[in-house]
Amino acid sequence: KNQVEQSPQSLIILEGKNCTLQCNYTVSPFSNLRWYKQDTGRGPVSLTIMTFSENTKSNGRYTATLDADTKQSSLHITASQLSDSASYICVVSRQTGANNLFFGTGTRLTVIP
Amino acid sequence: DTGVSQNPRHKITKRGQNVTFRCDPISEHNRLYWYRQTLGQGPEFLTYFQNEAQLEKSRLLSDRFSAERPKGSFSTLEIQRTEQGDSAMYLCASSPTDDAGGAGYTFGSGTRLTVV
Repeated sequence: KNQVEQSPQSLIILEGKNCTLQCNYTVSPFSNLRWYKQDTGRGPVSLTIMTFSENTKSNGRYTATLDADTKQSSLHITASQLSDSASYICVVSRQTGANNLFFGTGTRLTVIP
Repeated sequence: DTGVSQNPRHKITKRGQNVTFRCDPISEHNRLYWYRQTLGQGPEFLTYFQNEAQLEKSRLLSDRFSAERPKGSFSTLEIQRTEQGDSAMYLCASSPTDDAGGAGYTFGSGTRLTVV
């Protein structure tokens, strides 16, 4: 069964601290893995997209890693800011089919001053 | 073109009423998707268009739901006889046909539906 699981479900950190979010998946055949940031009441916005051959990709203070062998990914946020408070959704794309995106339930991050 | 546009942003309706949402995709994108997202969950696929053709529908799309994309540009999602369980964020996304890498996949800001 194609599934995407994220942990933790929610996280509270102090401004300026780092954090790491986890994503495990069983989607096959794998095409790419995406991390999205979703502010409350808004649509998801893409942070990173990684294919099978990419182990790490950065976008500013966001760094995503991918281990295609263990089917795990992480999103590391450095020097967190209040504006990082949002839900972070891991999405895995399968190679076949038009409806080929599998969504995690997200990690709700709250950054407090 | 400023991205995927959805209207209205918010809709409050009484149970039993019909509602219609609109999605304007990025102009050169042939593919258009509708999703439903409830609080604390990831988006759930509803339906997908390639140009004007509706190619796939989820089992979540009951007979009260209908989606159209008559000219292959904007799309509408109608919910008839709304129920409280229909309360959710309805997201639209679009992508080019050749988007294997996923870089072109873009979400709109969504329409928040509240059924009272």
